[in-house]
Amino acid sequence: DVKVTQSSRYLVKRTGEKVFLECVQDMDHENMFWYRQDPGLGLRLIYFSYDVKMKEKGDIPEGYSVSREKKERFSLILESASTNQTSMYLCASSFRGQGHASNQPQHFGDGTRLSIL
Amino acid sequence: AQSVTQPDIHITVSEGASLELRCNYSYGATPYLFWYVQSPGQGLQLLLKYFSGDTLVQGIKGFEAEFKRSQSSFNLRKPSVHWSDAAEYFCAVGNAGKSTFGDGTTLTVKP
Repeated sequence: DVKVTQSSRYLVKRTGEKVFLECVQDMDHENMFWYRQDPGLGLRLIYFSYDVKMKEKGDIPEGYSVSREKKERFSLILESASTNQTSMYLCASSFRGQGHASNQPQHFGDGTRLSIL
Repeated sequence: AQSVTQPDIHITVSEGASLELRCNYSYGATPYLFWYVQSPGQGLQLLLKYFSGDTLVQGIKGFEAEFKRSQSSFNLRKPSVHWSDAAEYFCAVGNAGKSTFGDGTTLTVKP
């Protein structure tokens, strides 16, 4: 079974801090994703990575950056945390596939509930 | 751009009753469709997927979904709901390796 592990389940940080959220997957997936989940807004894609050192902005990248130095690890960075970044953050991974097989289901971690005070 | 609409924010059913969760999508080509479930405090888990072929797809935990191109719908069904099915359900459409998710439907199960 695919395992996507997020380093923290709960995290409390202060406004202005630099925050790192870590995600590791163990199935050699090419694609990795960071989402934030807020009540009534569903899942919104922050960033997407389709290979090591490759990244693509999602729908809400402002205030965030990412790092993918190794295939199994995808980090989300809040450069200067603000209270409006208090949220649930979900990491996911998927096999890339080719052509018609490129749209593979995603495997999710259990999430990090981040509070910015 | 693709989009997914789940018209029902919250649904309550009695244990043992049948369930149907609605999903409508907007997508220009043949859609790749998914249903996920999220139990409290956990990430999303894939229930089933539709890529092509038979329009009625079977998933885990006794769920099934039917793809109807004419209605742009991919509704999730279960003939008899169990208390453990209480969760949030997300429909998603895949495009270029990414997915667009609906806002979710929260299912409450009455004893």
